[in-house]
Amino acid sequence: DIQLTQSPSFLSASVGDRVTVTCRASQGISSHLAWYQQIPGKAPKLLIYAASSLQSGVPSRFSGSGSGTEFTLTISSLQPEDFAIYYCQQLNNYRALTFGGGTKVEIK
Amino acid sequence: QVQLQESGPGLVKPSETLSLTCTVSGGSISSYYWTWIRQPAGKGLEWIGRIYTSGSTNYNPSLESRVTMSLDTSKNQFSLNLTTVTAADTAVYYCARAPVPSSKWGLDVWGQGTAVTVSS
Repeated sequence: DIQLTQSPSFLSASVGDRVTVTCRASQGISSHLAWYQQIPGKAPKLLIYAASSLQSGVPSRFSGSGSGTEFTLTISSLQPEDFAIYYCQQLNNYRALTFGGGTKVEIK
Repeated sequence: QVQLQESGPGLVKPSETLSLTCTVSGGSISSYYWTWIRQPAGKGLEWIGRIYTSGSTNYNPSLESRVTMSLDTSKNQFSLNLTTVTAADTAVYYCARAPVPSSKWGLDVWGQGTAVTVSS
């Protein structure tokens, strides 16, 4: 199975901050990666697909980059509604489309 | 606007079978991968498996021996059966949609989730 390691697992930031979350894959997955946002008590929401493509309706302050084994999700200016848990998911190995462990973004 | 809604028992006894259904409304069930994901309280997401509209399936190897998924295109529904459950299967279960090719698009529509507790 392909393992995904997210870092950090927790970060504290202020409104307006630039925030970066990293997702590392145990083997190369090309650009077959998605990012999700989950507000506690709610279903996850797709933010980014194909590593860097913004899902329709998602604010442009969210961006994704990377390919191969290292990927990043960046929030250019953190807003109050962005405090949530973020997950990456690899879409390369269809036998087990694993998720990363999550990164919780909290208010400083 | 496509919507997904999970349904099924909220309480299942140990060693029995967990059965959930996801109803697709506002769109066709054709030409997508239909996926089940679960999340134990306070923990991360676990991909359970998926079924394509042709009926072909892929299951998480860690659950494969206990999982069966099926599709009913006439009712716009797909289902999950998980046999011989234990307390470790207690979680919120989500259904979700993945457009084709699934290696590109991710899970673009999700149900609200349904909580399942395994307890006697």
